[in-house]
Amino acid sequence: DIQMTQSPSSLSASVGDRVTITCRASQFIGTWLAWYQQKPGKAPNLLIYKASNLQSGVPSRFSGSGSGTEFTLTISSLQPDDSSTYYCQEYNSSPYSFGQGTKLEI
Amino acid sequence: QVQLVQSGPEVKKPGSSVKVSCKASGGTFSTSTFSWVRQAPGQGLEWLGGIVPFFGTPKYAQNFQGRVTITTDESTSTVFMEVTALTSQDTAVYYCAREASGSYIEHYFDYWGQGTLVTVSS
Repeated sequence: DIQMTQSPSSLSASVGDRVTITCRASQFIGTWLAWYQQKPGKAPNLLIYKASNLQSGVPSRFSGSGSGTEFTLTISSLQPDDSSTYYCQEYNSSPYSFGQGTKLEI
Repeated sequence: QVQLVQSGPEVKKPGSSVKVSCKASGGTFSTSTFSWVRQAPGQGLEWLGGIVPFFGTPKYAQNFQGRVTITTDESTSTVFMEVTALTSQDTAVYYCAREASGSYIEHYFDYWGQGTLVTVSS
């Protein structure tokens, strides 16, 4: 199975800050990577697919980049509503593993 | 607009089974791919398996092969997931989710159910 490792596990930032979350895959996955945002008690919400494609309806302050084994999620100007846990997910091969999550506190 | 509505919370004894349902509305049920993803308390997300109702043959994560069964009922646009031989390690919120792309090769999820808490306790 492919292992997905996110860093940091948690971070604290202020409104207006630019933050970056990193996700590393244990083997090559091309650009088969998605990012999700999850709020407590809610289902995950798709933000980015195929590493850098913004899902419809997601604010443009979210962006994704990377390929191969290293990927980043960037939030360009933090808003209070961005306080959440963020997960990456590879879908190169079953069982479509998720990272352990990054908890972002505003 | 696609909606996935799951069945309610369950409390089960170790060694028993649980069956969770996920009723879909909107979209094209038969040719969509539906997966089940679980999240143990305070933990991350784990893919269990998925199915395309039209083809009917489920695919499972190796860790759950033989213990998880995913089925569908096209007449009611419902997907089911049964987990057998439950242990306390199976205590989790179970989500159904629909694959976004419809391509059958891009396995990311755009619509999710509200989640079903399954608690396994003696």
